[in-house]
Amino acid sequence: QSVLTQPPSVSGAPGQRVTISCSGSSSNIGAGYDVHWYQQLPGAAPRLVIHGNDHRPSGVPDRFSGSKSGTSASLAITGLQAADEGDYYCQSYDSDLIHYVFGDGTAVFVL
Amino acid sequence: EVQLLESGGDLVQPGGSLRLSCAASGFRFSNCSMSWIRQAPGKGLEWVAIITGDGDVTSHADSVKGRFTISRDNSKDTVYLQMNSLGVEDTAVYYCAKGPITGDDYVDYWGQGTLVTVSS
Repeated sequence: QSVLTQPPSVSGAPGQRVTISCSGSSSNIGAGYDVHWYQQLPGAAPRLVIHGNDHRPSGVPDRFSGSKSGTSASLAITGLQAADEGDYYCQSYDSDLIHYVFGDGTAVFVL
Repeated sequence: EVQLLESGGDLVQPGGSLRLSCAASGFRFSNCSMSWIRQAPGKGLEWVAIITGDGDVTSHADSVKGRFTISRDNSKDTVYLQMNSLGVEDTAVYYCAKGPITGDDYVDYWGQGTLVTVSS
């Protein structure tokens, strides 16, 4: 069980918007540490899709957006596509563990 | 183009040792931190270890502290993970990943991974 809590799965129809939450505490997100998001498509290595809470690396579609407030963060995917199916992980730093931490991951299903 | 190529994954018996390597290219290696991140079969991601660009500072997860050691050779653009006293719980795909040039606390490129299987 990670210190960053994510829902096990979310789903949506093609074209819809889905959001993935990442809930932390005062030793990680709430302490001001940035949240980053990674996409892992089936059988592939993870890929960075959001860094610094809300920054998109070059090459990542603007359908992906991130936000952070208090002890939580969210990843939103708009215009959902079949190609977006996979697992999504949030990541931050924890000052109690003195190490980087990942959420448990959220599986995105396109109906 | 950034490339990270892991090698060294294998089947090893409990209590055994293994050294993973990650050859990097396409960026200024000595300017970037490097990490090892693992993923057990069907499970999530776990940050194993990180080393600064100059190699002076390292950090290891509690689950591997005292057993695993991260190191780097900037003359060879290669990062290593020495794994000793392996247990079945260390079975995973091990990814090499680079930190951004800014030094921020995330990784911006991942290798394809190398599989370590610990079994008798």
